[in-house]
Amino acid sequence: GAGVSQSPRYKVAKRGQDVALRCDPISGHVSLFWYQQALGQGPEFLTYFQNEAQLDKSGLPSDRFFAERPEGSVSTLKIQRTQQEDSAVYLCASSLGGGGGAVQLFFGPGTRLTVL
Amino acid sequence: GDSVTQMEGPVTLSEEAFLTINCTYTATGYPSLFWYVQYPGEGLQLLLKATKADDKGSNKGFEATYRKETTSFHLEKGSVQVSDSAVYFCALSALGGSARQLTFGSGTQLTVLP
Repeated sequence: GAGVSQSPRYKVAKRGQDVALRCDPISGHVSLFWYQQALGQGPEFLTYFQNEAQLDKSGLPSDRFFAERPEGSVSTLKIQRTQQEDSAVYLCASSLGGGGGAVQLFFGPGTRLTVL
Repeated sequence: GDSVTQMEGPVTLSEEAFLTINCTYTATGYPSLFWYVQYPGEGLQLLLKATKADDKGSNKGFEATYRKETTSFHLEKGSVQVSDSAVYFCALSALGGSARQLTFGSGTQLTVLP
């Protein structure tokens, strides 16, 4: 596609529900990142994939958060037993290259999750 | 750990005014530095970048110079337009290890009035 797409754009969940957020990266992009952006804050790194391999998940805040990219393209971020503190915008980004400090990331519009 | 500190907003300017948004960083080694912009309702977009000391990144009239001695990467524009209204994020990417991710500042909201 023309850019990174994410779905749904908005999600409201009751506390304790499980949610799944989808990211479609730019076709052919090797690297995929998930970020969490709380209201009024900058994005914070959650996890990173190179193709289907999850190379870094150091930013996942708890074991309730799980991400996968089984075929090296589409990725899903799953949050189990959602809590109010999980309310945030979840951003997905992709890049053509496989790493390095100066690669350009292309961001999707984000999924705004609200946990009631 | 790595961190980015940005000038707090919001910033409100009149059209054609001069813009400076301050950004300082803390990182081990020699990070790459970035400014990202988020227009209302849109995703983050790369505005400019610099990969080594004294490099100047520039795009759309915006400039920022990588100053290693002051660990800064201030964003400037000589004459802002209403269309520049957005949230601006300073970010760094540290080289080495598994640090491929970006570390962002908290963002600065800019509003330009006609």
